[in-house]
Amino acid sequence: KQEVTQIPAALSVPEGENLVLNCSFTDSAIYNLQWFRQDPGKGLTSLLLIQSSQREQTSGRLNASLDKSSGRSTLYIAASQPGDSATYLCASKGGGADGLTFGKGTHLIIQP
Amino acid sequence: GAGVSQSPSNKVTEKGKDVELRCDPISGHTALYWYRQSLGQGLEFLIYFQGNSAPDKSGLPSDRFSAERTGGSVSTLTIQRTQQEDSAVYLCASSLLGLNGVQYFGPGTRLTVT
Repeated sequence: KQEVTQIPAALSVPEGENLVLNCSFTDSAIYNLQWFRQDPGKGLTSLLLIQSSQREQTSGRLNASLDKSSGRSTLYIAASQPGDSATYLCASKGGGADGLTFGKGTHLIIQP
Repeated sequence: GAGVSQSPSNKVTEKGKDVELRCDPISGHTALYWYRQSLGQGLEFLIYFQGNSAPDKSGLPSDRFSAERTGGSVSTLTIQRTQQEDSAVYLCASSLLGLNGVQYFGPGTRLTVT
């Protein structure tokens, strides 16, 4: 059974810093990996999806990488802003499951 | 365009009552998913529909939970004889490309069982 772990569980940094959020998964036989953000009391917003054949995806200040062999993905946020404050979740889509398997998230606070 | 919508946004019910939660996926999305988010468990997958068919119902927590989808669009998740441990946020997502596409989530239904 796939397990997804996110480190750190919480992170607080000053505005303007670059930061990296980590995600690891136990079963490397995944179809894709997706990063989401969740604002308090809201649903999930998809940020980036990396297919298993890809190594990274970029959208604006966000860059996500995938290393299937080591079971790791990272989300890089450049020049962080207070509006980036949210919980960031990674989720893998494996061949043996219909749904996504989520990590417990990283709660990010960007201090103005 | 319109995203995934869910209703009601909040539901408070007494233990033992039945509840129905509704999901309207993005128009044209053939795949629909239900998840549950609770404080202790994080986000867990419940069930997936491709069209009106749910190939695997083993993710549903108990036989008190059922789900259906009609016309390849709206889906309802029904919980019978609700228990306090059913309290959670129930999230629905839809996808254009089936199992491997980007999943777009609705705002969720917060269920509180008293």
